[in-house]
Parts: sequence; structure tokens; C-alpha cells
Amino acid sequence: EVQLLESGGDLVQPGGSLRLSCAASGFSFSKSPMTWVRQAPGKGLEWVSAISGSGGSTYSADFVKGRFTISRDNSKNTLYLQMNSLRAEDTALYFCAKGNAGAAMRWYFDLWGRGTLVTVSS
Amino acid sequence: DNVLTQSPDTLSLSPGERATLSCRASQSVSSNYLAWYQQKPGQAPRLLIYDASSRATGIPDRFSGSGSGTDFTLTISRLEPEDFAVYYCQQYGRSPITFGQGTRLE
Repeated sequence: EVQLLESGGDLVQPGGSLRLSCAASGFSFSKSPMTWVRQAPGKGLEWVSAISGSGGSTYSADFVKGRFTISRDNSKNTLYLQMNSLRAEDTALYFCAKGNAGAAMRWYFDLWGRGTLVTVSS
Repeated sequence: DNVLTQSPDTLSLSPGERATLSCRASQSVSSNYLAWYQQKPGQAPRLLIYDASSRATGIPDRFSGSGSGTDFTLTISRLEPEDFAVYYCQQYGRSPITFGQGTRLE
């Protein structure tokens, strides 16, 4: 079955760290760019970070640069998001999604997971 | 950043009617790299349209996309009960990727 399954979301204190995972199945993971998109409670979608199929190129929104790191393990068909120095405004449902096979960062997202909830609060 | 503004924020219609949703970009969208997504409560977004006018796999032909440059439109020709949801546009012609704020179709 073609699917993405996120995990790792939790309640964490401000300044804390968390690592999200996204397990992929049913498609050629290593050939697919991948992304993280978040959605704060009751709000819209916000792009966070993306990575090429090989993992050699990564891209991040300005608001997470220096705090979040995207990576992937193609041998495990798994995408990661390491989140450090978390803030209350990082509270959101984090989705992983598969990008189309286009040029770098010319990606729309044709498969989404159901998301994992990150809550940053003391 | 290329800011996307969707209108209206909320659209109130009935099944069988035609829905027209707008997405306006603050800068021209390169190569019409614009996508539309549908999101229902408690669910992940679903890709409807990419490259401004190409329907994604399995999307009914009552959904259509049009536009170029800075102005794009998603049209649902005859609303079905399952079409009532929130719709987002996304541009991928310029980094960073950006989304519109969404239109709620009720």
C-alpha cells in the first residue's frame, strides 16, 4: 500500500528537542523528494523543509533555519525532522509529503501522511 | 516570498451549484507552477490540481484549474456533498514554497 506514516510528535517544553519520523511504503522512496508541512491548530498549511531524493540537497523556511534539520535514510525508507530550540509557535500538526519528480524545489505534493502533533508548552 | 491570497475566505453554496475559488499571487508564478489541495476535517490535504490546470490521478473532472501569471482559479462545476471542505493553493515556482490561507467551502 502506498502510504506515509508519521510518528514522534509529543508534548515538549520550550527550548526542548524532538525528532519526527515518516515511514514510507509502496513507492520508490529514494527517487522521491520529500517535505514537511505544518498546520497550527485551526490554521492553514505552512511549508517547513524539503529534501531531494538522494538527500544531497535540503531546503528550509527562514523561520526554522538553524533550529530544524531535515534528513532521510533511503535504506530504511524513512524521512526525519530534527527539531531543536522549540518555541510555542512551533505547536502544530506536522505532515510529511511526497513531492513529484520535478526540478529542485519545483515540487507539488501528491501523497500526504496523516500527521503527528507537536505541542510546545511548559 | 511569493504571497498567495485566496478569496473568498468562506464560500457558501449548495450541492449542484458551481464553485469558483480564486488564488492571487504577489509575484508572477513561474511556469504556472501552482497546485490546489482539498482538506477535510481531521484529514491530510489531497492534491487536486498541479501545474495550474492538470488534474491529479483519480480527481473527478468536475474539478478544473485555470489561470496564469498572478491569477488562478479552481472551479468545481457541480458541487457534490463530499466537496464541502477547505481548499488551499500552493506555488512552487519560486523558493520558498508558499500556500494560500485557504477558502472554506460550506
